Amino acid sequence: AQSVTQLDSQVPVFEEAPVELRCNYSSSVSVYLFWYVQYPNQGLQLLLKYLSGSTLVKGINGFEAEFNKSQTSFHLRKPSVHISDTAEYFCAVSDVNRGGSNYKLTFGKGTLLTVNP
Amino acid sequence: NAGVTQTPKFQVLKTGQSMTLQCAQDMNHNSMYWYRQDPGMGLRLIYYSASEGTTDKGEVPNGYNVSRLNKREFSLRLESAAPSQTSVYFCASQGLVNEQYFGPGTRLTVT
Repeated sequence: AQSVTQLDSQVPVFEEAPVELRCNYSSSVSVYLFWYVQYPNQGLQLLLKYLSGSTLVKGINGFEAEFNKSQTSFHLRKPSVHISDTAEYFCAVSDVNRGGSNYKLTFGKGTLLTVNP
Repeated sequence: NAGVTQTPKFQVLKTGQSMTLQCAQDMNHNSMYWYRQDPGMGLRLIYYSASEGTTDKGEVPNGYNVSRLNKREFSLRLESAAPSQTSVYFCASQGLVNEQYFGPGTRLTVT
């Protein structure tokens, strides 16, 4: 069974500082990896995804994530955050599709990023 | 292209009342999902439908039923609401590489 661990439940940072939100997963097979963002009182929005190929993935709003297979990690980074990046961020994993089957996502419990002025 | 829509946005029920949460997607996706979100507990899967005509239990199915009415629509029913079902409910549909698209949510309070 898969699992996703988001190592920090809350991350406070100051505006224009860099940030890293950590995500580790466990799986015995090849995986797809995702980061989602949830702004207050909204649904989840896809930020970026890793399917295969380059381990550095760029997403919306200046975020990027790096897939590290040996560390089973998929950490999210932004070099300079804005007040508007304040939101909850979720990491998710699924098995790679095979045999015509699609697989469910397993989500982490989320990291609340608070950007202070 | 509206993506995933959910109705209602807010609902207050008394214990024992029933209601149906509606969800529709216009992306021609096969798979659809219902989650609940509670503080500190992340997203928990209630039920899902891998394709039209099939439904399966998720992590927390007790007290809920679902109907996959057609490829577009997937509804969630609470037959006899309990205060423990106070939550935010999200519907999602799943694309070809398992990326999920979420609706705006229904905020349900059971008193």
